[in-house]
Amino acid sequence: DSGVTQTPKHLITATGQRVTLRCSPRSGDLSVYWYQQSLDQGLQFLIQYYNGEERAKGNILERFSAQQFPDLHSELNLSSLELGDSALYFCASSALLEDSPLHFGNGTRLTVT
Amino acid sequence: GESVGLHLPTLSVQEGDNSIINCAYSNSASDYFIWYKQESGKGPQFIIDIRSNMDKRQGQRVTVLLNKTVKHLSLQIAATQPGDSAVYFCAENPNQAGTALIFGKGTTLSVSS
Repeated sequence: DSGVTQTPKHLITATGQRVTLRCSPRSGDLSVYWYQQSLDQGLQFLIQYYNGEERAKGNILERFSAQQFPDLHSELNLSSLELGDSALYFCASSALLEDSPLHFGNGTRLTVT
Repeated sequence: GESVGLHLPTLSVQEGDNSIINCAYSNSASDYFIWYKQESGKGPQFIIDIRSNMDKRQGQRVTVLLNKTVKHLSLQIAATQPGDSAVYFCAENPNQAGTALIFGKGTTLSVSS
């Protein structure tokens, strides 16, 4: 068990809808990362927060947004969903900004129908 | 043991053999590297890491080798067991502001008994 908790585990929704994925990092970790994993793209970095502030941005669509709250949990909001957004979404946390392994949760499987 | 010289998406070995999984990374400025194991239905699990000032690091039954000259990373698993069956990913920290760990294409390791 990595100590990173993600909810829900599964989410099925229709195109055009909006969903929120939630992540609680390991106790004491200040950095939270979001990754998307699809069959043909591997693990793609979306966005990182450190102690409430956005730190790095990857291939995150404008329809997607995230935030990290004062208690350090994070939410990833996906809107105007398309079929191609179906994927596994992973949250990871780390203790330090650099040279520290990321510890991943077990992901949220999003299916857009 | 069985090894691959170039990245291959799959590797099949017999229980008890040594396995070698290879990874080519992209950025010569990358200074930190991690190997992850991902089992079905779970998030990537940290195995071992190495910093760019080292060329070898050993863990329990695993060894990571780093060749910065050719930007190559390998994971050696000794006495491979059925429980080692999973997808293995290498990841690099590109050491650039505004970026996070970049994951390579995974290798699926299948261990038969």
